[in-house]
Amino acid sequence: DTAVSQTPKYLVTQMGNDKSIKCEQNLGHDTMYWYKQDSKKFLKIMFSYNNKELIINETVPNRFSPKSPDKAHLNLHINSLELGDSAVYFCASSSRDPGKQFFGPGTRLTVL
Amino acid sequence: TQLLEQSPQFLSIQEGENLTVYCNSSSVFSSLQWYRQEPGEGPVLLVTVVTGGEVKKLKRLTFQFGDARKDSSLHITAAQPGDTGLYLCAGAGGKLIFGQGTELSVKP
Repeated sequence: DTAVSQTPKYLVTQMGNDKSIKCEQNLGHDTMYWYKQDSKKFLKIMFSYNNKELIINETVPNRFSPKSPDKAHLNLHINSLELGDSAVYFCASSSRDPGKQFFGPGTRLTVL
Repeated sequence: TQLLEQSPQFLSIQEGENLTVYCNSSSVFSSLQWYRQEPGEGPVLLVTVVTGGEVKKLKRLTFQFGDARKDSSLHITAAQPGDTGLYLCAGAGGKLIFGQGTELSVKP
């Protein structure tokens, strides 16, 4: 059973489009995160949610909107995609913030 | 702003060699985590160090947390090709702050 799953694994799209990435965890964790890993492999937190409530919102453009319908799901919607949004996006969860994090397999987003 | 400087960024060695990766900051962290990431996958936690001066061993990997809880090191003894991957340190202080990562390649 996959602990943290993300879909899709790969996303190739044109500039200006809107896209969503979905994340689900079956670990029963209270906290979920979105991270962005750039081409130099630098991993940076974007958002964190605790029990469906937004806790951390780093200086991310408001084109990025996370949504947590329940404790086990955290989705990321991105409007008006730009070339600079190309990266690998990781979802993660932990039982406490910011304890041991369990990462999903990542979604590689390529904006053309 | 809390920053973690990780070095070296790239390391290519032969099987059997020893190596050390460093993670330094001017900030104090409540704990420090080390992750390993393989291509196409998410990072996986290797260890968490919490107490200043703490040393933890995981088979051939030795992790140390600095006395002042501002720095950490990862030492691998007799590296093997299976150790190849991206090693990330992450400091905990309200949120996880990641270092830039060390890409390790161990050649047979």
